[in-house]
Amino acid sequence: AQSVAQPEDQVNVAEGNPLTVKCTYSVSGNPYLFWYVQYPNRGLQFLLKYITGDNLVKGSYGFEAEFNKSQTSFHLKKPSALVSDSALYFCAVRGYNTDKLIFGTGTRLQVFP
Amino acid sequence: DAMVIQNPRYQVTQFGKPVTLSCSQTLNHNVMYWYQQKSSQAPKLLFHYYDKDFNNEADTPDNFQSRRPNTSFCFLDIRSPGLGDAAMYLCATRRLESNQPQHFGDGTRLSIL
Repeated sequence: AQSVAQPEDQVNVAEGNPLTVKCTYSVSGNPYLFWYVQYPNRGLQFLLKYITGDNLVKGSYGFEAEFNKSQTSFHLKKPSALVSDSALYFCAVRGYNTDKLIFGTGTRLQVFP
Repeated sequence: DAMVIQNPRYQVTQFGKPVTLSCSQTLNHNVMYWYQQKSSQAPKLLFHYYDKDFNNEADTPDNFQSRRPNTSFCFLDIRSPGLGDAAMYLCATRRLESNQPQHFGDGTRLSIL
């Protein structure tokens, strides 16, 4: 069965510091991995995806993620956090030959000035 | 800009009074999804359409129905809303034959009196 784990309910970081939001996955076959961000009372905004190719994926708003097959991880990173990055972040996986996204439980990122 | 539009953004209905939420898209995507999201939890897939083919999730209550009269529009009908149906309802679209991510609308927040 496919699954996604986001082990941290909340991540706190000071503005200007690097941030990491963790995600691990379990899927049969090659995974399609996604990160979405959700601001209050808004839908999910796509940040980046890994389908194939380079393990380091660059996305919107300065975010990047590193695909690590041996550790089955796809952690979201940003070199320098902004207060405006404070939001709810979801990791998701879509397995091969399926159209459904399996979401993690979400991680709330709080960036303090 | 091409986008996914949900109306209304906020909907209040009475316990047991039928309600319809709408979603429209200008992306010409062949797949449309409806999700239910409760208080910062992960979105839960209710059903999706591939063109006009309806795919219901096994655990979606019978109280929830959907219609897709054409490519651009999709409706979520809740026949007899209960207090437990208060949630954010998210519509998303995707072109099945691509590796592109799902595009989400900003959701409709449903309150039950």
